[in-house]
Amino acid sequence: QQPVQSPQAVILREGEDAVINCSSSKALYSVHWYRQKHGEAPVFLMILLKGGEQKGHDKISASFNEKKQQSSLYLTASQLSYSGTYFCGTDGGAQKLVFGQGTRLTINP
Amino acid sequence: EAQVTQNPRYLITVTGKKLTVTCSQNMNHEYMSWYRQDPGLGLRQIYYSMNVEVTDKGDVPEGYKVSRKEKRNFPLILESPSPNQTSLYFCASSLFPPQGNQPQHFGDGTRLSIL
Repeated sequence: QQPVQSPQAVILREGEDAVINCSSSKALYSVHWYRQKHGEAPVFLMILLKGGEQKGHDKISASFNEKKQQSSLYLTASQLSYSGTYFCGTDGGAQKLVFGQGTRLTINP
Repeated sequence: EAQVTQNPRYLITVTGKKLTVTCSQNMNHEYMSWYRQDPGLGLRQIYYSMNVEVTDKGDVPEGYKVSRKEKRNFPLILESPSPNQTSLYFCASSLFPPQGNQPQHFGDGTRLSIL
């Protein structure tokens, strides 16, 4: 079952913060986050495993609340290079990864 | 360089003409997968393969076939393409199945138009 991402789109000015949410109706073991620039392949950002952990690198971090079956991606002091579409992927059972519909992030100067 | 290579990158063809999109990875990954991407629908899995000769259906397998005769190759076959298969296709691979801590490595994509 496809996870639900919110918001579907967000427009920010450079330096502002953003939060992208990913919710699932089923229990999760892990959540993957990817970013895709227009016309390019999705690029891996991070994986969170159950345990409520928070991970991050640079100014992009994420949390995973397994009880609520949701994950949030935090982009702090956004840069122009952060623009793109962000996808969360959740384990769909039977060795599959199921992606959300994506959140389009636009960063303006 | 570690990579997933898809060919062709672009293809315009006609309904009913069989086509194959090739995918090859050089990372000795066990797990390979095909996705299609359509506006507003995200990435939807077509087929995946756990290892050589082991394949299984994803969420949207109708109209597609795959094979995994060698570890590095995972071609996607459209026996009788139809216009509703016009889409952007991605091949991906990972060392092991995606549950847990194995990131997916994506190819550059194949934009397929079926008239």
